Amino acid sequence: DAGVTQSPTHLIKTRGQQVTLRCSPKSGHDTVSWYQQALGQGPQFIFQYYEEEERQRGNFPDRFSGHQFPNYSSELNVNALLLGDSALYLCASSLGRGAWGYNEQFFGPGTRLTVL
Amino acid sequence: GNSVTQMEGPVTLSEEAFLTINCTYTATGYPSLFWYVQYPGEGLQLLLKATKADDKGSNKGFEATYRKETTSFHLEKGSVQVSDSAVYFCALSDRENNFNKFYFGSGTKLNVKP
Repeated sequence: DAGVTQSPTHLIKTRGQQVTLRCSPKSGHDTVSWYQQALGQGPQFIFQYYEEEERQRGNFPDRFSGHQFPNYSSELNVNALLLGDSALYLCASSLGRGAWGYNEQFFGPGTRLTVL
Repeated sequence: GNSVTQMEGPVTLSEEAFLTINCTYTATGYPSLFWYVQYPGEGLQLLLKATKADDKGSNKGFEATYRKETTSFHLEKGSVQVSDSAVYFCALSDRENNFNKFYFGSGTKLNVKP
């Protein structure tokens, strides 16, 4: 059973460029969440997708957008890159409409984005 | 609102020492609590979890008890090993708009020396 996969592993971009990161959720999961983890910090929630719609969003500008496909995989797009966007971007999958309580999130290995 | 506060690191211990990493939280609802571990160059792995007050999560010798009265979820291990060196994140999950939303602490780096 494949876990959460992300691509690419590493990416180097320059300021002003656009980037697309990809995520395939764990088998059986229908919800994908994206996080930004700056060096030495905890993951910060960007947004969450379920049924191909953005369901929740953290405190990130509109430059950050996403998409979820019918097979539950997801993309994170960042436009007009800034130096401060350099971080590890983590994807996590879970079951969206589970029972009240917790729904465990499984994380991918992340994509390391460097903006020069 | 929801938030998680962890003790700052790094924490440096000798092998076989006792470990405690403090975690406290604020929550508007009835959250579930988690500890995740991150090894260098990797994503986060779930270490243990607790879904209601007084629950004790445990895994690989690590334990944490959900204390609602003190809003805490401290991570403990009786005897650490060099292989436990990693960054540990405390997190909570709360239900918002019918979806579970996660909040993470800033992480505590653990260094275990032989």
